[in-house]
Amino acid sequence: DAMVIQNPRYQVTQFGKPVTLSCSQTLNHNVMYWYQQKSSQAPKLLFHYYDKDFNNEADTPDNFQSRRPNTSFCFLDIRSPGLGDTAMYLCATSRVLSEAFFGQGTRLTVV
Amino acid sequence: ILNVEQSPQSLHVQEGDSTNFTCSFPSSNFYALHWYRWETAKSPEALFVMTLNGDEKKKGRISATLNTKEGYSYLYIKGSQPEDSATYLCAPITSGTYKYIFGTGTRLKVLA
Repeated sequence: DAMVIQNPRYQVTQFGKPVTLSCSQTLNHNVMYWYQQKSSQAPKLLFHYYDKDFNNEADTPDNFQSRRPNTSFCFLDIRSPGLGDTAMYLCATSRVLSEAFFGQGTRLTVV
Repeated sequence: ILNVEQSPQSLHVQEGDSTNFTCSFPSSNFYALHWYRWETAKSPEALFVMTLNGDEKKKGRISATLNTKEGYSYLYIKGSQPEDSATYLCAPITSGTYKYIFGTGTRLKVLA
């Protein structure tokens, strides 16, 4: 059974139209991560939570926001998606410094 | 910004060939190194978690070594099979952080 679930798997959104991606986990891990991966590039860390402590990467665009209402759920909100935000978005969880468990990703296309 | 380099970027080998690839990372403040395998249409999965200089880990035909002083790790696949086709990612972890910063990966294609 999947332990890290991302919804939706595929999302098409219009330029500038807000979109929310969700991630849930059944592992009770305290760390959750959001990555963006564009074609043939490394997954790029956008932000991570250690429990409720939010850590934003310095180069994460301002229109990317995140919420973690409880241990199990984490959301990625893109307030005004641009064409350049078309990518795979991966959610991962871990216990501190242990192996990460990934969801299957959401493939976002901005048109 | 942690600079993680993996080489080669992509690799085609024949079934039965052995192969290896490299992950290079800054050696200062090293805590651990993770290797992940990412098959098409699946989630990345952890292969190894390595922490000690000189560490060697093995899982079936796949093994990895770690040199923390010079900042590199090698992943070896012995007798490659088509099911080994995947992208192999490494992620070094710096002490004092919880961040997993990935390299660009090595895309391996094993031809039957």
